[in-house]
Amino acid sequence: DIQMTQSPSSLSASVGDRVTITCRASQGISNSLAWYQQKPGKAPKLLLYAASRLESGVPSRFSGSGSGTDYTLTISSLQPEDFATYYCQQYYSTPHFGGGTKVEIK
Amino acid sequence: EVQLVESGGGLVQPGGSLRLSCSASGFTFSSYAMHWVRQAPGKGLEYVSAISSNGGSTYYADSVKGRFTISRDNSKNTLYLQMSSLRAEDTAVYYCVKAVWYYFDYWGQGTLVTVSS
Repeated sequence: DIQMTQSPSSLSASVGDRVTITCRASQGISNSLAWYQQKPGKAPKLLLYAASRLESGVPSRFSGSGSGTDYTLTISSLQPEDFATYYCQQYYSTPHFGGGTKVEIK
Repeated sequence: EVQLVESGGGLVQPGGSLRLSCSASGFTFSSYAMHWVRQAPGKGLEYVSAISSNGGSTYYADSVKGRFTISRDNSKNTLYLQMSSLRAEDTAVYYCVKAVWYYFDYWGQGTLVTVSS
């Protein structure tokens, strides 16, 4: 199985900040990576797939990049509704999620 | 509008059984593989099981293999997860998920399974 290591596990940021979350795969996954946002008590929501493709309806302040084993989710200007937990997921092989990054208000 | 509605969760004793159902609407259910993902309280997401569009192929995580059975009824647009020999570590919210390839574009609201005496 391809394991996903996500960092940091949590971060504190202010509205308007640029936020970056990293996901590292245990082997190359050829951009087969998705990012999800989860708010308390709610199901995860798909944000991006294929590492950098924005899901329909997701604000353009969310972007993704990377290749090989290393991938990044960036929120260009953090908004109040963005405080949540974010997960990466590889689908190059049997799906596996990263451990999550909780984005909290500073 | 795609909708996935899970049901069947609840409190069950260790060693017991439970069957989860997921009613799907808003898309051609029989054309898509379907999946179950779970989340233990306060923990991350764990991929549990999958079934092909015609039900002919299934996948199980090692943690549930031999204890859980995934199935589907395309005539009823319904996905199932039969869970037996339940353990405390199976306590989680179980999500029914539709995928595009193997990334997950639609999730149900989840159903809580609690395994406790």
